[in-house]
Amino acid sequence: DAGVIQSPRHEVTEMGQEVTLRCKPISGHNSLFWYRQTMMRGLELLIYFNNNVPIDDSGMPEDRFSAKMPNASFSTLKIQPSEPRDSAVYFCASTFGQGAHSNTEAFFGQGTRLTVV
Amino acid sequence: GENVEQHPSTLSVQEGDSAVIKCTYSDSASNYFPWYKQELGKRPQLIIDIRSNVGEKKDQRIAVTLNKTAKHFSLHITETQPEDSAVYFCAASRGAAGNKLTFGGGTRVLVKP
Repeated sequence: DAGVIQSPRHEVTEMGQEVTLRCKPISGHNSLFWYRQTMMRGLELLIYFNNNVPIDDSGMPEDRFSAKMPNASFSTLKIQPSEPRDSAVYFCASTFGQGAHSNTEAFFGQGTRLTVV
Repeated sequence: GENVEQHPSTLSVQEGDSAVIKCTYSDSASNYFPWYKQELGKRPQLIIDIRSNVGEKKDQRIAVTLNKTAKHFSLHITETQPEDSAVYFCAASRGAAGNKLTFGGGTRVLVKP
């Protein structure tokens, strides 16, 4: 398996534009996470899915952010409209978990570095 | 929800010395505690993890200890080498569906040759 795959690796966009980040989790994993990383705030969990269903989106900053997982092999994080303060590295991670005592390693994608100018 | 505090935020050590990073968590139901290493410009990668039924775990120069009563856990790196320079993150999870990981703020470790 190639691991968690994110695209694009880098994105530069103008304020007000729509941005879509993509993630392909590891095959067989049933949980997917979107994190945002900045120097000031570290690694923040934005939203996570279990079996394609959003479980907790309390970390999504505001209505400009939305995420979908239409199937087990694909997820998107959309920002519309984008703002300069959204500039960060966005990581997608996936893991396999089942039940209350089956925590396993979360594998991260290489991240998307987003710059909004 | 879970809150994970990590200290120190930066740590500078001489090559060959030990480094210790400490984390506390708030959710007593958390039962899984991984540590991730992130090199500059790279993704976070798991280096060691510990589950709540174990008090200590060691892997070569890296060890992690867990005190469930006090709700804190620590990472110990012995005989540090320049390649240990990175940002280290602790995390906690209660293992419910989805294994939601809450991360600490990170510790930037610099190993001076």
